[in-house]
Amino acid sequence: AQSVAQPEDQVNVAEGNPLTVKCTYSVSGNPYLFWYVQYPNRGLQFLLKYITGDNLVKGSYGFEAEFNKSQTSFHLKKPSALVSDSALYFCAVRDRGSTLGRLYFGRGTQLTVWP
Amino acid sequence: NAGVTQTPKFRILKIGQSMTLQCTQDMNHNYMYWYRQDPGMGLKLIYYSVGAGITDKGEVPNGYNVSRSTTEDFPLRLELAAPSQTSVYFCASSWGGSDETQYFGPGTRLLVL
Repeated sequence: AQSVAQPEDQVNVAEGNPLTVKCTYSVSGNPYLFWYVQYPNRGLQFLLKYITGDNLVKGSYGFEAEFNKSQTSFHLKKPSALVSDSALYFCAVRDRGSTLGRLYFGRGTQLTVWP
Repeated sequence: NAGVTQTPKFRILKIGQSMTLQCTQDMNHNYMYWYRQDPGMGLKLIYYSVGAGITDKGEVPNGYNVSRSTTEDFPLRLELAAPSQTSVYFCASSWGGSDETQYFGPGTRLLVL
């Protein structure tokens, strides 16, 4: 069964510090991995995805994520956090063999960046 | 290019009432999805469609129905609203294929009292 775990409900960092939002997954086959961000009262916005190739994926707004197959992880990172990065972040996984394209979402991690 | 649009933004229903949540996309995407988001629970798939005339159940379909008569529209119908359907509903679309990014609408917040 496919599943995604985001072990931290909340992450708090100071502006200018690096941030990490953790994600681990379980899929029956090889995964496609996604990160989405949700600002208050808004829909989900796509940040980045891992399909194949380089394990380090760069996305929007300076975010990047590292795919680690042995640890089944796909942690989201940013070298220097901004207050405007404060939002709810979702990791999602899709089985590579699925033609439906169904995403399985984690529960979300609330990121707060204080000035 | 508006992307994925949803109406209404917010609605209060009484138990037993019915309503339709509208979803339209202008990207000519084949695949469309309905999710619900409950606090602390992530998103759960309600129904999906891989093209006009083709729909199927997702993870939590009970109490909902869908139709897909055109590529652009994918309405979600609640026939007999229950308090358990209080949630935020998101529509999404994609070209298809498992590596395709899904694009989300702004959501409909539904309160059933």
